[in-house]
Amino acid sequence: EIELTQSPGTLSLSPGERATLSCRASQSVASSFIAWYQQKSGQAPRLLFYGTSSRAIGIPDRFIGSGSGTDFTLTISRLEPEDSAVYYCQQYGSSPPFTFGPGTKVDIK
Amino acid sequence: EVQLVESGGVVAQPGESLRLSCAVSGFTFDDYAMHWVRQAPGKGLEWVSMITWDSSDTYYADSVKGRFRISRDNNENSLYLVMNSLRHEDTALYYCVRDLGSGEVFEFWGQGTPVTVSS
Repeated sequence: EIELTQSPGTLSLSPGERATLSCRASQSVASSFIAWYQQKSGQAPRLLFYGTSSRAIGIPDRFIGSGSGTDFTLTISRLEPEDSAVYYCQQYGSSPPFTFGPGTKVDIK
Repeated sequence: EVQLVESGGVVAQPGESLRLSCAVSGFTFDDYAMHWVRQAPGKGLEWVSMITWDSSDTYYADSVKGRFRISRDNNENSLYLVMNSLRHEDTALYYCVRDLGSGEVFEFWGQGTPVTVSS
């Protein structure tokens, strides 16, 4: 089973700043099968990226997914107030379970 | 518009059984695998179960294997989760989720149905 860790646990930044969120896998993720989700308070999660860097429909290009092997990154290039949320990475493509990381909370000051 | 509407979440006692349902619309149901994902109060996301488009394969998290059973009715555009031998740690918001269609990526989510297991 592939385990995912995310860092930092919480990120507190101002609008316009750049956010860098890390997701590290316990073993190499085949074909970069990493997805990212955004969950705002009281809402269901929303798919941001799949295949590490393929944006889901409607995701603005200030969100960037990158990485390979065991290290993956979600970058939000210019934070906006509505980006306040918890962000989860998830691995897939191998045998179940399809695990999530513990999440990174992004607070906008 | 893709819609997934869960129902069936209640307060149950440990050891009891429950059936969750998910009614879907806005897409061709039998083109996609489906999942249940849960989230305990104040906690992260946990994948629970998956069923392929034609019900030929089902998969479960170790935490629910042997107790939960996923099924679907493609004629009724519905997904189900039968939960047996409920435990306190099954308390969570249960989301019905549509697969992206290219790998086990969770593209569309319902709003969830809450299950509370309490004595």
